[in-house]
Amino acid sequence: AQSVTQLGSHVSVSEGALVLLRCNYSSSVPPYLFWYVQYPNQGLQLLLKYTSAATLVKGINGFEAEFKKSETSFHLTKPSAHMSDAAEYFCAVSFSGGYNKLIFGAGTRLAVHP
Amino acid sequence: GAVVSQHPSRVICKSGTSVKIECRSLDFQATTMFWYRQFPKKSLMLMATSNEGSKATYEQGVEKDKFLINHASLTLSTLTVTSAHPEDSSFYICSATGTGVKNEQFFGPGTRLTVL
Repeated sequence: AQSVTQLGSHVSVSEGALVLLRCNYSSSVPPYLFWYVQYPNQGLQLLLKYTSAATLVKGINGFEAEFKKSETSFHLTKPSAHMSDAAEYFCAVSFSGGYNKLIFGAGTRLAVHP
Repeated sequence: GAVVSQHPSRVICKSGTSVKIECRSLDFQATTMFWYRQFPKKSLMLMATSNEGSKATYEQGVEKDKFLINHASLTLSTLTVTSAHPEDSSFYICSATGTGVKNEQFFGPGTRLTVL
C-alpha cells in the first residue's frame, strides 16, 4: 500500500538555523510529491511539488526539497528559519499519475524560537 | 493563483441538526473537488471525491448518507452533515482541481464545525 511517513511530529529550531523536515514515501510507481504548509485555522498552501522533472525543487518562501529515489525521500529544507515559518507542514503524495487523490503524511509542527 | 473559498468559516449547531458547507472555485472551473476532514493536531483524511455532475466517490469508512456531497456546477460543491452529533465536530477542508489549473489541487480555508 502507498504511504507517506513524516519523521518527527515536532521540530524546533532557532531563528536563522537550518530547517529540515523529513518525508519518506512508499510506492511501486513513480510518485508525484508535494509539501504543503498550514497556518492555524487555515487551509493548506502549496510550498512546492515534484512531478518527475528536476529532482531538486525550489518552492516559495525559500524552501526547497530534493527527490531521492534510492532513499524514497523528499525532505524539505530551508537554509535560514524565520519566525514566520512556524506552522504545520504536510508532505503528500499522489500516485495516480496526476494531481488527484493526495495521501498526506501526519504532519510536522515547526516551531521557531528567537 | 487559483482561489477556493469555503462558507461558512465557522459553524456551531445543535446535535441532530444538519449543516451545509459550501466550497467554491472563484476563478477556474473545478471539474473535481475533494472533501477532507482534519482532527485536532492530525493530518487530513480524504472523505470523498466529487466530479461535476456525478455522484461522489466516498472513501472507505465514510458514511455517504451522513455526509452528503453535491457537485452540481463547475464552481460549487456542497457538503451536508446530516443529523450532526458531537463526534462530527471537526475541521472540514475542500480542495478543487481542473484542467485549467493543470490539475493541481487548490485548498479552501476550511470550516470549523462544532456540534453541541
